[in-house]
Amino acid sequence: SAVISQKPSRDICQRGTSLTIQCQVDSQVTMMFWYRQQPGQSLTLIATANQGSEATYESGFVIDKFPISRPNLTFSTLTVSNMSPEDSSIYLCSVEKRGATGELFFGEGSRLTVL
Amino acid sequence: AQKITQTQPGMFVQEKEAVTLDCTYDTSDPSYGLFWYKQPSSGEMIFLIYQGSYDQQNATEGRYSLNFQKARKSANLVISASQLGDSAMYFCAMGDRGSTLGRLYFGRGTQLTVWP
Repeated sequence: SAVISQKPSRDICQRGTSLTIQCQVDSQVTMMFWYRQQPGQSLTLIATANQGSEATYESGFVIDKFPISRPNLTFSTLTVSNMSPEDSSIYLCSVEKRGATGELFFGEGSRLTVL
Repeated sequence: AQKITQTQPGMFVQEKEAVTLDCTYDTSDPSYGLFWYKQPSSGEMIFLIYQGSYDQQNATEGRYSLNFQKARKSANLVISASQLGDSAMYFCAMGDRGSTLGRLYFGRGTQLTVWP
């Protein structure tokens, strides 16, 4: 199994500022994933973060807006830059490590509100 | 193209009754995995059940079972004996690179309401 901790769990931010979300895993994993869930919507993959290389971004997401760090095998950060109200979402990190019943693990999510 | 389709925005079921949440998927990869997650209002993603494309039998986990019809590309979630605590958003998801890479595509979700 994998225990994933995210910080902050929630925050209220001002337009134009940036916020960094941290994701800590209790074991080493090769890949970490960042998802966005806008209000009332489904989860959309932002990027895949591999240790030692640049993150791979999905269509519609760019590094300047969502820079990602992956300094080691247990930690990653996602920064939401120059925030606007449209960035108000839940951001979740996930890892590729599977549980005994096939589970893919998610962090508790970081709920951001941009005013 | 949408890979996961959940056609029921909302479902209602009476406590202790069974309910089926629909999910269809689209992939050309012969190796894939299908997942169901529950998301209460707190926002966390709670894993319910997993089905691999090569699994011969339908997955079951307690009150949850997955009705996997490969030819029809459907993976419906069946919740038996519904409880009030089952009220939440339910997401169907697929990983189509052997489900080992963790890149999941999610459906739009179904809001389940269980009433007494």
